[in-house]
Amino acid sequence: GDSVTQTEGPVTVSESESLIINCTYSATSIAYPNLFWYVRYPGEGLQLLLKVITAGQKGSSRGFEATYNKETTSFHLQKASVQESDSAVYYCALGDDTGNYKYVFGAGTRLKVIA
Amino acid sequence: NAGVIQTPRHKVTGKGQEATLWCEPISGHSAVFWYRQTIVQGLEFLTYFRNQAPIDDSGMPKERFSAQMPNQSHSTLKIQSTQPQDSAVYLCASSWTVSAETLYFGSGTRLTVL
Repeated sequence: GDSVTQTEGPVTVSESESLIINCTYSATSIAYPNLFWYVRYPGEGLQLLLKVITAGQKGSSRGFEATYNKETTSFHLQKASVQESDSAVYYCALGDDTGNYKYVFGAGTRLKVIA
Repeated sequence: NAGVIQTPRHKVTGKGQEATLWCEPISGHSAVFWYRQTIVQGLEFLTYFRNQAPIDDSGMPKERFSAQMPNQSHSTLKIQSTQPQDSAVYLCASSWTVSAETLYFGSGTRLTVL
């Protein structure tokens, strides 16, 4: 079936260090998956961080980047230098762009950035 | 635009009582989704509506859960005879369409069943 697997948290990183949260997906019933990273900051609702709808393309937002790699079925989230304000829970997700409702979410990765 | 509004933010019920959760989607969005979030199961799809019509409720526990969307401005999720295992954060989301568009989530309702 369709699934998303991401780095198990919690992940603790020191401020100004680099970050990578791994995400791999299996899209057996979705021919052309769209890929998303959502984030939930403390006290806030889940919100879109970035999305990429075309394989090979890179999305970026707030200093984060992720590249849609169809060959390795991956969509890793990276940031060169994290800040305390990046502390949040990050969710990788895939969606079906063919008119189906289907969205599949990963389990979430809790990130804590320490000063 | 206030975003997706969910009420109440917190609800505590006794075992066997009924709980009704409310969601007001973003105006103009045609798709409304309900998810349940727990530490163990993560984000679980429950049901969704398109243009107010129920399309798929395959994620809903059939016996006690029901969802409605009587008009374009709100949807409700009703849980009858609540059980402790129903304790979770219930999230409502809306989008312009259902074709892998960005989901806009509400802040959720944290349901605690004692």
